[in-house]
Amino acid sequence: AQSVTQLDSQVPVFEEAPVELRCNYSSSVSVYLFWYVQYPNQGLQLLLKYLSGSTLVKGINGFEAEFNKSQTSFHLRKPSVHISDTAEYFCAVTNTGGFKTIFGAGTRLFVKA
Amino acid sequence: DTGVSQNPRHKITKRGQNVTFRCDPISEHNRLYWYRQTLGQGPEFLTYFQNEAQLEKSRLLSDRFSAERPKGSFSTLEIQRTEQGDSAMYLCASSSGQGNTIYFGEGSWLTVV
Repeated sequence: AQSVTQLDSQVPVFEEAPVELRCNYSSSVSVYLFWYVQYPNQGLQLLLKYLSGSTLVKGINGFEAEFNKSQTSFHLRKPSVHISDTAEYFCAVTNTGGFKTIFGAGTRLFVKA
Repeated sequence: DTGVSQNPRHKITKRGQNVTFRCDPISEHNRLYWYRQTLGQGPEFLTYFQNEAQLEKSRLLSDRFSAERPKGSFSTLEIQRTEQGDSAMYLCASSSGQGNTIYFGEGSWLTVV
C-alpha cells in the first residue's frame, strides 16, 4: 500500500521569497506523483504531475517539483511566491497499475506581505 | 470542457435524515471517484467506478454510505441516517485513466446538526 507524508503542516513565508513544500512517499511499486492546490471552499486543482521521464517537472503558476526515487521524495518549489499563492497544497501518489490516488494531510502555505 | 460538477454545494441536515449528492464527471471520462475531506485533512478515498461498475467500495465508511453510477455517466452518493460525524466535504473526481490524473469538482459540504 502507498502512503504520503507531508513534512510541514504550515509554512509561513514572506512575499517574493522562495518556498519548498516537502513530500515523501512510500510504495513498493512504481508510482505517479502529483501536487494539487486547494483554495478556501473549493475543490482541488492539479498543479503538476510526474508520470515518467525528466525528474524535474514544471507546473502552473510558476511551481516546479523534483522526483527523487532514491529519497522517495517529490518536493514542490517556487522561486518567488505571491500573496495569491496562499492556499493548501496536497501531495498525492498512485501506483502506475492502480487507480486509487492517496493524498497527504496537506501543507498550508501562508504568504505574508 | 465543463469540468466536474457537483450539487448541491452545501447541505445542512438534521441528524437521522438521508442525504444524496450528485456528481456529473467530465463527459469523456470513464473513471469516477468519491472522496471525503474533513477540516485540516487531505481527501480520503471512498469509492471508485469504471463506467457503471463499482470496482472498489471497501473504503465506504459504513453501510449507511452507498454510491451508484447507473448508466456510467453521473453518480450519486447517499448517506442514510446521517450522524454528526458525517459532517465533511464530499469530493467527486473523474479521470480518463491516462496517467491516472484525476480532476476534482468543487465539492459538496455536508453539515449535520
